[in-house]
Amino acid sequence: QKEVEQDPGPLSVPEGAIVSLNCTYSNSAFQYFMWYRQYSRKGPELLMYTYSSGNKEDGRFTAQVDKSSKYISLFIRDSQPSDSATYLCAMSENSGGYQKVTFGTGTKLQVIP
Amino acid sequence: GAVVSQHPSWVICKSGTSVKIECRSLDFQATTMFWYRQFPKQSLMLMATSNEGSKATYEQGVEKDKFLINHASLTLSTLTVTSAHPEDSSFYICSTPGLAGGTDTQYFGPGTRLTVL
Repeated sequence: QKEVEQDPGPLSVPEGAIVSLNCTYSNSAFQYFMWYRQYSRKGPELLMYTYSSGNKEDGRFTAQVDKSSKYISLFIRDSQPSDSATYLCAMSENSGGYQKVTFGTGTKLQVIP
Repeated sequence: GAVVSQHPSWVICKSGTSVKIECRSLDFQATTMFWYRQFPKQSLMLMATSNEGSKATYEQGVEKDKFLINHASLTLSTLTVTSAHPEDSSFYICSTPGLAGGTDTQYFGPGTRLTVL
């Protein structure tokens, strides 16, 4: 079993829809939870970052963490064609003084105009 | 956020040759940089942690003699793929820790696509 599970998609939604992206994990030592957006042939871009259970909102994006269920989500409201990208969840744990980051495989999202 | 650049963005080489990839932090000094590899439709896999002025720390299963890392200055880390083979073809991405020093919020370079013929 992978430490982090993420549905690879692809996920196609119409413009304006609410998008829900999810990841589950098995490692209780994960402390920080991130969502990255990666456009084709580009490096990942940090979208959201949280370290506690609950919701965190930033514009059209809401990150949700449920540590008891080992489940995190990213919601995108009023989705736009420019949101079309691969979304990677990532989680980190303290490992020898560093926060060792484990990434999900990414979910490819396509927002159709 | 931090600005990280990589050079080259795309390289094609013949099997058996060596390729050097540069990673630069443009707006702050990074004592630590991370090197990742990403195969198509797969997640980013950490290869090694590059430390300025000392030896890199490699993840299990990564050959340190094949993937040579040099972090000679606070703004530059290089990854050299020695005697490259077609199975080394991948997307190589470097990153730096966040400006606060936390390694949880990393800033990624644009990546280097390596194709070995």
